[in-house]
Amino acid sequence: DTGVSQNPRHKITKRGQNVTFRCDPISEHNRLYWYRQTLGQGPEFLTYFQNEAQLEKSRLLSDRFSAERPKGSFSTLEIQRTEQGDSAMYLCASSSTSYEQYFGPGTRLTVT
Amino acid sequence: AQKITQTQPGMFVQEKEAVTLDCTYDTSDPSYGLFWYKQPSSGEMIFLIYQGSYDQQNATEGRYSLNFQKARKSANLVISASQLGDSAMYFCAMREGGGNDMRFGAGTRLTVKP
Repeated sequence: DTGVSQNPRHKITKRGQNVTFRCDPISEHNRLYWYRQTLGQGPEFLTYFQNEAQLEKSRLLSDRFSAERPKGSFSTLEIQRTEQGDSAMYLCASSSTSYEQYFGPGTRLTVT
Repeated sequence: AQKITQTQPGMFVQEKEAVTLDCTYDTSDPSYGLFWYKQPSSGEMIFLIYQGSYDQQNATEGRYSLNFQKARKSANLVISASQLGDSAMYFCAMREGGGNDMRFGAGTRLTVKP
């Protein structure tokens, strides 16, 4: 399977805990994106990497959120001190051009 | 600021018939791209079709076509010969020429009836 993969697929955590998600993009794609999708809404852009450089961050990405792509391949998204409002689907996408983005299956986070 | 509007929360279509899902957008950038994605219940976003703002012809991909009306700022998705497997959420999205973020509409839930 050469698509975008995300792990874990589901995460349940207690409020105040830290969580980390991983995204493995399509191997030849140098662009990587993170989105958040809440129930009944379309995805909302969080951040963008080109290779290992984080070039754009949304205002949605509060200081409790941090994303990395250390070697320009996989990426991690960490949420510190989780809040109930962080419950959402976190989607990763990758692309090799500025056109279509290919999405992974997402990580569904539930904060209790 | 960019804005994507999908006014149809839900649509029903009979199997084998065509259906149009509406999308309007708002941008002041002359260069932009419009996208449609399908999201089945499994959650994965599946890319369907792309239209660039400078493209002269409407985009087509198999049973999907995009009815691009630039002056009206609309980019409706037409699905021909609907199949049961087309039942899903459909999202319209836009990215401005100089940006990396893609903005999505709220989506339309399509149900194909047998």
